[in-house]
Amino acid sequence: DAGITQSPRHKVTETGTPVTLRCHQTENHRYMYWYRQDPGHGLRLIHYSYGVKDTDKGEVSDGYSVSRSKTEDFLLTLESATSSQTSVYFCAISERGGAAEKAFFGQGTRLTVV
Amino acid sequence: AQSVTQLDSHVSVSEGTPVLLRCNYSSSYSPSLFWYVQHPNKGLQLLLKYTSAATLVKGINGFEAEFKKSETSFHLTKPSAHMSDAAEYFCVVNSGTYKYIFGTGTRLKVLA
Repeated sequence: DAGITQSPRHKVTETGTPVTLRCHQTENHRYMYWYRQDPGHGLRLIHYSYGVKDTDKGEVSDGYSVSRSKTEDFLLTLESATSSQTSVYFCAISERGGAAEKAFFGQGTRLTVV
Repeated sequence: AQSVTQLDSHVSVSEGTPVLLRCNYSSSYSPSLFWYVQHPNKGLQLLLKYTSAATLVKGINGFEAEFKKSETSFHLTKPSAHMSDAAEYFCVVNSGTYKYIFGTGTRLKVLA
C-alpha cells in the first residue's frame, strides 16, 4: 500500500468553525488531490496540487482552501464549516499526474458538521 | 470535457455467477480508464487500468475489462462472483488533465 496517512480519521465539528484535514505521504509523489465522497455522487474533486505551492481548483471547491508547503503534506481547510460539508474526504496521490498514472488513495476522513 | 456514467447504481448476483458492471465514458482525447473498488469503510483500491495498449485488461482478483472505443464503454466483468467481491466499484477516466473523474459508483451485492 502507498504511504498515505489522513488525519484525523473522524471528526465532528460545529457549524461555523474552521476545520483542517491533513494528508501526509511518504512516496515523494508530485501530485496530490482532495476528493469528497457523497452517496449518489461518487468522488468529486475539491482541489489538487501539482507541486509545492502549486494548487488548482476542482469541480466542488467553493468553501474549501488548500495549502502545500512541503511535498509530503497537503492540507484541506474548511474556513467556516457548513452542514453541506458533512462528507467523507479522501486524499489521493499520483507520481507524475499523466493520464496513465494510477492514483493511490488514503483511508478517508469522515467529517460531520452539526 | 470528460465524464463517466455508470449505468447501474446497484447490481445483485448469486455467488458463482458472472459479474457485469457497466461504464460508459466521454472524452475529447484518448483517455485512460480505471476501475477502483471500495470495501465498506475502506479506502479505494485499484482493480485495473487501460492506457491505450491492449483493449482487454486483466486486473486483480479475476476481474477484467474491455475497452470498446466504438461504444465508448469500459465494462468490468468477472466469470464467477465470490462473497468477498461485495463492494462498491468506481469507473474513472483521466484524459491527461491531472484530474481523475469518477462515476457515481455501482454497489455489488453477492448472494449466497
